[in-house]
Amino acid sequence: ETGVTQTPRHLVMGMTNKKSLKCEQHLGHNAMYWYKQSAKKPLELMFVYSLEERVENNSVPSRFSPECPNSSHLFLHLHTLQPEDSALYLCASSQGQGLLGEQFFGPGTRLTVL
Amino acid sequence: TQLLEQSPQFLSIQEGENLTVYCNSSSVFSSLQWYRQEPGEGPVLLVTVVTGGEVKKLKRLTFQFGDARKDSSLHITAAQPGDTGLYLCAGADYGGSQGNLIFGKGTKLSVKP
Repeated sequence: ETGVTQTPRHLVMGMTNKKSLKCEQHLGHNAMYWYKQSAKKPLELMFVYSLEERVENNSVPSRFSPECPNSSHLFLHLHTLQPEDSALYLCASSQGQGLLGEQFFGPGTRLTVL
Repeated sequence: TQLLEQSPQFLSIQEGENLTVYCNSSSVFSSLQWYRQEPGEGPVLLVTVVTGGEVKKLKRLTFQFGDARKDSSLHITAAQPGDTGLYLCAGADYGGSQGNLIFGKGTKLSVKP
C-alpha cells in the first residue's frame, strides 16, 4: 500500500447508527487531517492531529469524534448523524504541519445519512 | 476570515483549446497549491508555488503566483480530455496559529473530445 488509504469508500447509515471511518498513511508523515467536502462549498477542515495530538477542532459537532492512536492511523467515529452530514470525508497527511503545507489526500469516504 | 475565490466555477471546452483559471484573495499567503480532483477521488497535488511572481510548468500546465502572493493562475495549453476534473487552489497561511490550508471552491473543467 502506498500513499493515503481510506476505508470504507462508501457508507450508508441511519441517524441512530454508530460507525467509524478509517484512514492510514504510508508516507511517514507526522500530521493528519479530516476534511468534509460538500457540494458547492470549499473543503472544510474538521480536525488536525500533529504528532498524535489534536491541535485543531474547527467547531465540529460532538457527533463527530476523531481518534489518532499513532502517527499512521486516524479514525473518525460517527454517531447520531444528521442528513446534512452526508458528504465526502477526506483524510490527508503532511510532514511537519505548517511548513510548505503540502498535504496528500486519500480517496475519501462517500457518506450518506438517511 | 480568509477567502480564496476561484473563477470560473465551470468551464466546458473542446479538446485542443487553451484555458486559464484564476484564484484570487485579498490576503497574502506564504505558499499556494493547486490540486486536481477527479470524481470519487481525493485531490491530487499538482504544484506548490512559494515566491511572488514564480512560474512553474508541468507539461502543458503553467502555474503563476502573483507578485503580491495574493493570487494565482493556472493555464492549460491544448487541453485534453484527461485534463477533465475539479481544479482546487489552496493557500497556506503561516501568520495564523496553525498554518493550515484555505481552499477555494474550485473550477470544474470538462474537456470534450
